[in-house]
Amino acid sequence: GAVVSQHPSRVICKSGTSVKIECRSLDFQATTMFWYRQFPKQSLMLMATSNEGSKATYEQGVEKDKFLINHASLTLSTLTVTSAHPEDSSFYICSARGSPGTNYGYTFGSGTRLTVV
Amino acid sequence: QKEVEQNSGPLSVPEGAIASLNCTYSDRVSQSFFWYRQYSGKSPELIMSIYSNGDKEDGRFTAQLNKASQYVSLLIRDSQPSDSATYLCAVNTRSNDYKLSFGAGTTVTVRA
Repeated sequence: GAVVSQHPSRVICKSGTSVKIECRSLDFQATTMFWYRQFPKQSLMLMATSNEGSKATYEQGVEKDKFLINHASLTLSTLTVTSAHPEDSSFYICSARGSPGTNYGYTFGSGTRLTVV
Repeated sequence: QKEVEQNSGPLSVPEGAIASLNCTYSDRVSQSFFWYRQYSGKSPELIMSIYSNGDKEDGRFTAQLNKASQYVSLLIRDSQPSDSATYLCAVNTRSNDYKLSFGAGTTVTVRA
């Protein structure tokens, strides 16, 4: 089955620093990766969609200069939270989708709990 | 109107009973429908996907899709305490770049 690995699972950083989160599809090629943020007791909020080799598409209200997304290969996408602030503390989850026509639907990574102090 | 709406919870059922979860969606051309289970502090895991009208069964789970009514449901038979979680309904359409639209989720508690 499709497996998506996300690291780190937890990170605590100081306000003003940057944090990078990695998302890898281990056994399939992910043509598209999605990045979500989830606050406590709320549903997933899509932040951006990235296709391999092209610029990410950000949802309305998400600052592209603050949340840098790189999808340089078919198996790796990264999200960098730049100049983090306490309000950026959240649960960040990636999801990878295989090529259309494959059975690899949407597979989620295990998530990253970010705490900015 | 929200794209995906789920019946408000929380839903409490006794062990062994059937838990019934409902979901409606607004985009008539939606193509793929998913039910995810999310335990507290964890990421969602796929339970069922359904693409055509009718029922789809997988173990104790049955998904039902009615595109005319824009309705998809999930039944959990013989509910177990381990089924206690939040269940998320998700829908996608090709016209929306295959993005998943999520409902707010329904929290299910199975009482032992």
